[in-house]
Amino acid sequence: EAQVTQNPRYLITVTGKKLTVTCSQNMNHEYMSWYRQDPGLGLRQIYYSMNVEVTDKGDVPEGYKVSRKEKRNFPLILESPSPNQTSLYFCASSSRTGLKGGYTFGSGTRLTVV
Amino acid sequence: AQKVTQAQTEISVVEKEDVTLDCVYETRDTTYYLFWYKQPPSGELVFLIRRNSFDEQNEISGRYSWNFQKSTSSFNFTITASQVVDSAVYFCALSEARTGNQFYFGTGTSLTVIP
Repeated sequence: EAQVTQNPRYLITVTGKKLTVTCSQNMNHEYMSWYRQDPGLGLRQIYYSMNVEVTDKGDVPEGYKVSRKEKRNFPLILESPSPNQTSLYFCASSSRTGLKGGYTFGSGTRLTVV
Repeated sequence: AQKVTQAQTEISVVEKEDVTLDCVYETRDTTYYLFWYKQPPSGELVFLIRRNSFDEQNEISGRYSWNFQKSTSSFNFTITASQVVDSAVYFCALSEARTGNQFYFGTGTSLTVIP
């Protein structure tokens, strides 16, 4: 089944403790992206990647890192999480020519930083 | 400036009523794409439709229809004979050819269909 898999689904952590949210897609997509969803703000793009070793900042990159060492994986790293990073996070992917068709989203990761 | 505006934060309708969700966008690109996504209570994001800027034909898919009007920069979504299963948050999104990878989402409209 074609899908984007995020892990974990739920995560509670403490301020300053480094964490990684994994994202993997099995569709051989070139494009991958991370979004955060906050009430009243919709979804905002954190980082995106056009292909292996190519990443770029979205609208709200501060406090986040990403890497794209393999085509299928695009982990989101919070080196020193803070409470304002408490949010619902989505990973998404799309083929190069299929971006017009929209992203396929993962199921989301609900992160709470206390 | 918000590129995608969904002015309706919450809408409630009674089952079987028709409902229209508004979406207004802003772009200077001549080539762009518009999308609607559904987010049911379970939280996942489900792709519904995409439209490119050169195709202003309205589209109907079952009880869903979309009205794209470039003259008013709107891409409205109508659900006919709404059902309880339509209860969800609906997001409109814009992607510009110039920036390709960036999706600009509206803030979403929460639709509740009352049985």
